[in-house]
Amino acid sequence: DTGVSQDPRHKITKRGQNVTFRCDPISEHNRLYWYRQTLGQGPEFLTYFQNEAQLEKSRLLSDRFSAERPKGSFSTLEIQRTEQGDSAMYLCASSLVTGGTDTQYFGPGTRLTVL
Amino acid sequence: DQQVKQNSPSLSVQEGRISILNCDYTNSMFDYFLWYKKYPAEGPTFLISISSIKDKNEDGRFTVFLNKSAKHLSLHIVPSQPGDSAVYFCAASDFGNEKLTFGTGTRLTIIP
Repeated sequence: DTGVSQDPRHKITKRGQNVTFRCDPISEHNRLYWYRQTLGQGPEFLTYFQNEAQLEKSRLLSDRFSAERPKGSFSTLEIQRTEQGDSAMYLCASSLVTGGTDTQYFGPGTRLTVL
Repeated sequence: DQQVKQNSPSLSVQEGRISILNCDYTNSMFDYFLWYKKYPAEGPTFLISISSIKDKNEDGRFTVFLNKSAKHLSLHIVPSQPGDSAVYFCAASDFGNEKLTFGTGTRLTIIP
């Protein structure tokens, strides 16, 4: 197994365009998380899935953002009508919850630049 | 409200010496703590974790200490190696609220 993968690694778009990112978690992991990281900050939680169910969404996730995990495997994060403030690194993580602890393993991230 | 704080933005340590990175938290509900290492243009890499029922956890050159009464944890790296140069994030979660809350990171530079 090669870990969490994300595609694309980089995305440059113009303001107002829609973008979609994909995350493939570690195969046996049942949880999948999305985080956003801006310069000089730690990652900030956006949303997470347990299998295909989206269980929590941060108030950071405006109605322009939508995430899906249709078959409990890969996930997509879509941003509609992008704004310059959406420029950030978007990180995906996955985990397998055992014994009450939840160690999350991160992918390489997708760097979004909105011009 | 910054619930997880890393007050040292940067730290330089001589190769072979001990590196100590610190982290403070304010949320008493946190019961699981993790350290991640991050290189530029990559995602965070998990290093080591500790549950609140312990006060110490070791994995090779890495040891994490937890002081619950002080709401403080630290990561010790010994001996420090040039490949340890990276940004280190501490993160915390509480059972039932699985999202991780991260600190702002400490950039560690190992001087050969």
